[in-house]
Amino acid sequence: AQTVTQSQPEMSVQEAETVTLSCTYDTSESNYYLFWYKQPPSRQMILVIRQEAYKQQNATENRFSVNFQKAAKSFSLKISDSQLGDTAMYFCAFTLAYNQGGKLIFGQGTELSVKP
Amino acid sequence: GAVVSQHPSRVICKSGTSVKIECRSLDFQATTMFWYRQFPKQSLMLMATSNEGSKATYEQGVEKDKFLINHASLTLSTLTVTSAHPEDSSFYICSAPLAGDTDTQYFGPGTRLTVL
Repeated sequence: AQTVTQSQPEMSVQEAETVTLSCTYDTSESNYYLFWYKQPPSRQMILVIRQEAYKQQNATENRFSVNFQKAAKSFSLKISDSQLGDTAMYFCAFTLAYNQGGKLIFGQGTELSVKP
Repeated sequence: GAVVSQHPSRVICKSGTSVKIECRSLDFQATTMFWYRQFPKQSLMLMATSNEGSKATYEQGVEKDKFLINHASLTLSTLTVTSAHPEDSSFYICSAPLAGDTDTQYFGPGTRLTVL
């Protein structure tokens, strides 16, 4: 069975600084996908970034980037130039390919506070 | 694109009544949708996979007679909480994968259910 672990329940960062959120996962499969979702106070889940396991290059989306270490089963999220609007709960998530069920498995979440 | 809606956004009902929650994919078709439950400050827990034209698949520990799921069309799935009790009070979220990008799920805004 696959598991996802986020070991930082809460983090805080000053506006304009950089913060890294940690995520580890466990699977015996080789073809899978990893995601970071953001859930602001509105509770709408928003996709931040995704990574295909077969790609060695780390995904980036503007201020958001990941450090994907497949052998170590680690998938951290780096937020650069943090903004007040980045304050939210962040969830790391794992899924096998859609044709294997497509279920998302979530980590426990990290509550990020960006301070002015 | 990839917008998922839910209705209602919040509902309050009396103990013993049934409540229906709708999940719609607005600009794409979804043969599969997923239903999650989320308690405050906690992660999302997958309840069931809704399959268009066939029975839903429930996760272990989820009562299928309690949480009825119907995937009536390629854009609509409904979750009915039958004979609701206060312990069913929670935040319910649906998601749907976008065809052609079927490994990424898009989430509805959620429904807050309060059972008195």
